[in-house]
Amino acid sequence: GAVVSQHPSWVICKSGTSVKIECRSLDFQATTMFWYRQFPKQSLMLMATSNEGSKATYEQGVEKDKFLINHASLTLSTLTVTSAHPEDSSFYICSARDSRGNNEQFFGPGTRLTVL
Amino acid sequence: AQSVAQPEDQVNVAEGNPLTVKCTYSVSGNPYLFWYVQYPNRGLQFLLKYITGDNLVKGSYGFEAEFNKSQTSFHLKKPSALVSDSALYFCAVREFSGSARQLTFGSGTQLTVLP
Repeated sequence: GAVVSQHPSWVICKSGTSVKIECRSLDFQATTMFWYRQFPKQSLMLMATSNEGSKATYEQGVEKDKFLINHASLTLSTLTVTSAHPEDSSFYICSARDSRGNNEQFFGPGTRLTVL
Repeated sequence: AQSVAQPEDQVNVAEGNPLTVKCTYSVSGNPYLFWYVQYPNRGLQFLLKYITGDNLVKGSYGFEAEFNKSQTSFHLKKPSALVSDSALYFCAVREFSGSARQLTFGSGTQLTVLP
């Protein structure tokens, strides 16, 4: 079945540093990937839609200079949280849409970011 | 615009009893409807989906959901709950023919199955 991996699964960093999170589709190609943010006991909020080879589309209120997204290949998208602050602490989940005809969307296991 | 409502933040049910987790939706066209389950500190796991066809959809782990177009609902059900079903459940909708075709999630319902 279709598998999406995320790395790292958790990360703790100091305030002011940058953190990169990788999202990979392991057995399918994904022209489109999505990045979500989830606060404790809340729903997933779409941050941005990432398309291979082009700029990401950010949702309203999401700072594109703070959350850098690169979708360099059909199987890899990265989210870099720049100059992280404690309020950026959250659970980040990526999702990849299968480029084949069914357009199914598969979710990664998530990355827990804690900024001290 | 598309939206999803899960009116219950919390559902408690005794083990062995039937469970229902409610979901209503709003789209301008025909909907794709999904249910996902999330365990603590984990990503979302797909349970089932409705695209077209039979209104009763059967999914993973004995769950099923009934699509009701007139009530714009897609409630998740299971005839006999297990303690291991305790988790956070999300309903999601995507417009069938919309150009954006991205999922919109409900706020989630925490299901607790009591032994």
